[in-house]
Amino acid sequence: GEDVEQSLFLSVREGDSSVINCTYTDSSSTYLYWYKQEPGAGLQLLTYIFSNMDMKQDQRLTVLLNKKDKHLSLRIADTQTGDSAIYFCAEITMNRDDKIIFGKGTRLHILP
Amino acid sequence: EAGVVQSPRYKIIEKKQPVAFWCNPISGHNTLYWYRQNLGQGPELLIRYENEEAVDDSQLPKDRFSAERLKGVDSTLKIQPAELGDSAVYLCASSLGGGSTDTQYFGPGTRLTVL
Repeated sequence: GEDVEQSLFLSVREGDSSVINCTYTDSSSTYLYWYKQEPGAGLQLLTYIFSNMDMKQDQRLTVLLNKKDKHLSLRIADTQTGDSAIYFCAEITMNRDDKIIFGKGTRLHILP
Repeated sequence: EAGVVQSPRYKIIEKKQPVAFWCNPISGHNTLYWYRQNLGQGPELLIRYENEEAVDDSQLPKDRFSAERLKGVDSTLKIQPAELGDSAVYLCASSLGGGSTDTQYFGPGTRLTVL
């Protein structure tokens, strides 16, 4: 299977919370990242979590890491229209010479 | 502080033509990366530089792709000749160092269309 897997699409109503999920395979992951890509733009680092942490919160963003299940999630509280973008989960591992591996991205669509 | 700068933003060429992309990393960042992002996919690493040295070019198709970072600052990625399958967004990123604790910052990318 793929190294980093994400669902491809998510639709959420404006004001609700969005939860984007990601699974990875490499247990030697050191950092896990969430990047945001808006149409026609490059990737913007949203947040990251070190592999020895369970949770990280930054304003409207909450990252949860379940290392046992190799599951990472990004929760966006009070989702706004400006949150509409593709969200990439990524991991960096020592097994691959610190190379960053990206998922295929989850397209978040905001419903009015 | 300026981010990673790339040019051009868009390029349309016919197959078999050459093309070059330019990247200027964030000032002080020693590590520079070139990625290719195909439609509906995440970025995939093509080459990584530590200063002027290419330390990982295992994914670079060397028959037609080349890159240089002569003075350890800005970099150029070239394709010659381009093929239809090269249509993609080419992203440049930089980081202070190349280790797992060094966050990569991405430029806006160059969207290449090969006709």
